[in-house]
Amino acid sequence: EAQVTQNPRYLITVTGKKLTVTCSQNMNHEYMSWYRQDPGLGLRQIYYSMNVEVTDKGDVPEGYKVSRKEKRNFPLILESPSPNQTSLYFCASSFGTGNTEAFFGQGTRLTVV
Amino acid sequence: AQSVTQLDSQVPVFEEAPVELRCNYSSSVSVYLFWYVQYPNQGLQLLLKYLSGSTLVKGINGFEAEFNKSQTSFHLRKPSVHISDTAEYFCAVLVGNNNDMRFGAGTRLTVKP
Repeated sequence: EAQVTQNPRYLITVTGKKLTVTCSQNMNHEYMSWYRQDPGLGLRQIYYSMNVEVTDKGDVPEGYKVSRKEKRNFPLILESPSPNQTSLYFCASSFGTGNTEAFFGQGTRLTVV
Repeated sequence: AQSVTQLDSQVPVFEEAPVELRCNYSSSVSVYLFWYVQYPNQGLQLLLKYLSGSTLVKGINGFEAEFNKSQTSFHLRKPSVHISDTAEYFCAVLVGNNNDMRFGAGTRLTVKP
């Protein structure tokens, strides 16, 4: 089954404790991205990757890192989480030709206390 | 830069009534337009998309949308809603071959019995 898999689905952590949210897709998509969803703001792009070893900042990259060592995986890293990073996070992937829809993971609800 | 405005943050409606969720975009170049639906505790899934051709696009679950270039709108409609249509709906725009997909803030549709 074609899918984008995120883990974990739910995470509560403390300020400053490094964490990684994993994302994996099995559709051989070139393009992957991370979004955060906040009430009244819709989805805002954090980082994206056009292909292996090619990543770039989205609209709200501060406080986040990503890596793309393999085509299927695109982890999101929070080196020192803060409470303002409490949000719902989505990973998405697409073929990257620009006119195809994105496929989304189930989301990761992160709470930083 | 393109942006997406969803004019209603919440739309309450009774079962079997028609509904229209409004979306306007701003872009000086050709765009691809999408509607996604997010059911509670789930990721986003594609409802329908406009890439080119006929301006009336039909999607899943009886939804349709009309692309209006002069009004820069892409409103979503359904003639008769069900309780199961209760969800959050996001309009999104993709410009040309740029993989930067911009989302509106979302419209929460609540269908009441």
